[in-house]
This record gives sequence, structure tokens and C-alpha cells, in this order.
Amino acid sequence: KNEVEQSPQNLTAQEGEFITINCSYSVGISALHWLQQHPGGGIVSLFMLSSGKKKHGRLIATINIQEKHSSLHITASHPRDSAVYICAVLLIQGAQKLVFGQGTRLTINP
Amino acid sequence: ETGVTQTPRHLVMGMTNKKSLKCEQHLGHNAMYWYKQSAKKPLELMFVYSLEERVENNSVPSRFSPECPNSSHLFLHLHTLQPEDSALYLCASSLQIKETQYFGPGTRLLVL
Repeated sequence: KNEVEQSPQNLTAQEGEFITINCSYSVGISALHWLQQHPGGGIVSLFMLSSGKKKHGRLIATINIQEKHSSLHITASHPRDSAVYICAVLLIQGAQKLVFGQGTRLTINP
Repeated sequence: ETGVTQTPRHLVMGMTNKKSLKCEQHLGHNAMYWYKQSAKKPLELMFVYSLEERVENNSVPSRFSPECPNSSHLFLHLHTLQPEDSALYLCASSLQIKETQYFGPGTRLLVL
């Protein structure tokens, strides 16, 4: 079992829909990242959070440390949001290591 | 553009070849990272450098050899690779370790 699990693995929705991607982890962490990877490989860091909630434009990320769970929400989704969304956690112990989820492939149809 | 560049973007090599991947950032960051992304697998951390010193070597085979000559450049030297080493190799940098990482576009490597 992976230390970081994302759901769903694949998500297809219509333009305008509200999107939620979930991330659960089983280890102690100091921070959690949400990343976006477009076709071709480029990765962009969307959020880094250790508590509460962050918002940037149409994107909202929340984290519940007690439940070891984070969600990424996209409001008013658009085809350009189509990408793979990756959750990664920074382990609290040991060396400086990011552990990644397997990613959620999001497709927004016009 | 994240400010992190990687060359080459694509590389095909035979198992007996020696090649190097290059990563460059002029963001003033002190930490740099190599990641491997294989098909249908999560990203895997390979190496972490902080202030040009290696601080993490994530059980990577010796056929991968990193080099960080200064805080702006990071290399990954490749020799006698195997076909299963074919993957996307991503470089990233951050101001300090544990801070937000900025990723390069990656080098897509195919080992024949």
C-alpha cells in the first residue's frame, strides 16, 4: 500500500462542474503539496499547505491533519484545467523527502 | 516557465552509452532535486542537494551519478543504463529544503 493514495485515479467532467480530488496519507508529514502536470511533463506547484485552507483563483486546497486527508477543489472547471493532479507529502521524519501519490488524471470536456 | 531549464528535452541512448542530463536555475535557490517518473508509477525522488552537498540519495543505482558543481547547476551522469531506466527525469529547485519546489520541463529518456 502506498503511503499516499489519491482518488479518483481518473475523472472526466463537463465544463463548469465543481471538481474534487482527494488525497489520503498514512505517515507523519510536515507539509503537503498539490502539483499539476500537463501533457509533455511540465510540473507546476499549485499549493503547499500544512494546515487549514488555501485559495488561488478557482483552486482551493484544504487539509485535515488529524484525519490525514487533503482535498483539491476546482470551481467552474474549464478544459484548460485538464491535467494530472499530484498530491505529495513532505515526511516529518528522516531526510528531506517528498513522497508522491499516483496522480489523478482530470479531463474537462467543453 | 518556472525558471528551471533542462537539457536535452529528449534523449535516446544505447545501454553502453554515457550521457549527461543538465539542469539549470537562476532563481537563487539553494536546493536542487532529481526525480524519476516512469510510466504508470508515482514520481520518485532520486537525489537532493542543498548548498551543493548531497543530502539525500534514495537508493539509486550507481549507474546514475549526480553532480552539483554550484548552486545553479545540477547534472545527472548516466552510464550503462538498462531499458527499464527509460522514463521522464525531472529536475526541481527550491529556495531552501522543505520549501516550494519549482520543476523543470523534464528530459524524456529512452534506453534501447
